[in-house]
Amino acid sequence: DAMVIQNPRYQVTQFGKPVTLSCSQTLNHNVMYWYQQKSSQAPKLLFHYYDKDFNNEADTPDNFQSRRPNTSFCFLDIRSPGLGDAAMYLCATSRDAVAVNTQYFGPGTRLTVL
Amino acid sequence: RKEVEQDPGPFNVPEGATVAFNCTYSNSASQSFFWYRQDCRKEPKLLMSVYSSGNEDGRFTAQLNRASQYISLLIRDSKLSDSATYLCVVDTGGFKTIFGAGTRLFVKA
Repeated sequence: DAMVIQNPRYQVTQFGKPVTLSCSQTLNHNVMYWYQQKSSQAPKLLFHYYDKDFNNEADTPDNFQSRRPNTSFCFLDIRSPGLGDAAMYLCATSRDAVAVNTQYFGPGTRLTVL
Repeated sequence: RKEVEQDPGPFNVPEGATVAFNCTYSNSASQSFFWYRQDCRKEPKLLMSVYSSGNEDGRFTAQLNRASQYISLLIRDSKLSDSATYLCVVDTGGFKTIFGAGTRLFVKA
């Protein structure tokens, strides 16, 4: 059974047109993460939520926002996608801090910007 | 210098071979270490955690050298199904994980 679900799996948007990516989890984990992974590069942490507390990485562009309306769902909003934002976006969860808790990844959403 | 560095490969090995990957990290305060496997166009999946004393899971052995700040993964008796990208992951504390760019492995019949 899928534990971390991402929708859509593939998203095509136009340059500058806002887009929202969705993540849901059935694990009841406290922490949800968003990563960006470009081709042949490492996944890069954008931000995470610990419960309702939002934690933005210092180098995450303002163009990227996130919402977590409840424990199960987390959204990634890209306000004005540029060509450089084309990537795989990975959602992950963990029960608590990573040191002692496994991260579970969703299948990712591949974003294309035209 | 990147926070987590890996040889990108690719490593091309025949079935049955033993192959080793290394990874170095820059933050001496890093607390936890992991190897993830990522298949082409799929999400990363945890392969194993890496403990100070070294640990083994079947054909896979992970080692940590805190003094030299490197982590290794040894795969014995390689299978075709081991072909993937292997990501070194370092937890710097709390909720911050840094991924290496990965080492690509191709196992050939």
